Amino acid sequence: DIQMTQSPSTLSAFVGDRVTITCRASQTISSYLAWYQQKPGKAPKLLIYKVSNLENGVPSRFSGSGSGTEFTLTISSLQPDDFATYYCHEYNSYSWTFGQGTKVEIK
Amino acid sequence: QITVKESVPTLVKPTQTLTLTCTFSGFSLTDFGVGVGWIRQPPGKALEWLALLYWNDDKRYSPSLKTRLTITKDTSKTQVVLVMTNMDPVDTATYYCAHRTAERGLDIWGQGTMVTVSS
Repeated sequence: DIQMTQSPSTLSAFVGDRVTITCRASQTISSYLAWYQQKPGKAPKLLIYKVSNLENGVPSRFSGSGSGTEFTLTISSLQPDDFATYYCHEYNSYSWTFGQGTKVEIK
Repeated sequence: QITVKESVPTLVKPTQTLTLTCTFSGFSLTDFGVGVGWIRQPPGKALEWLALLYWNDDKRYSPSLKTRLTITKDTSKTQVVLVMTNMDPVDTATYYCAHRTAERGLDIWGQGTMVTVSS
């Protein structure tokens, strides 16, 4: 089974900071890699699909990149609404996997 | 507009069987490429993918839970049912269902339903 490892587990940042979250796969995966944002008590919200495609309605400060085994989610200028937990998700293998999550906190 | 919604919160006893229903609208499970997935999240922990039902009735399960899970659709094709046997307190979690497309993966999620396993 493919394992997805996110880093860091927790990230403290100021409003306006550029933030990068990394997701590493245990083996080379296809481009079917998504990123989700989750706020407390809410369902996950799709931000990016197929590595770098922005979901409808998601602000352009979010971007995704990567290939092979390493993928990143970048928030170009962190906004108050962005403090949440972020998950990567591989959705092409026979058995799907989520990363363990990265919590973005206010510094 | 696509919507998915999980059945109401549930309390089950250890060793009992859990049955969850995902009711959806705005798409058909016969549409090419469409699927419905189940995901869970224990309190304070990460998301865990459980099962997926494809438009062609193909089914996929988490390897660690495969022996306990069954995913099916009802004859009306507007509900997907997940059955999990031999429930344990560690299965206490919020259970989500979600709409799947080949391109976007799990793009539309329900609000989740809390399942508590306790004697």
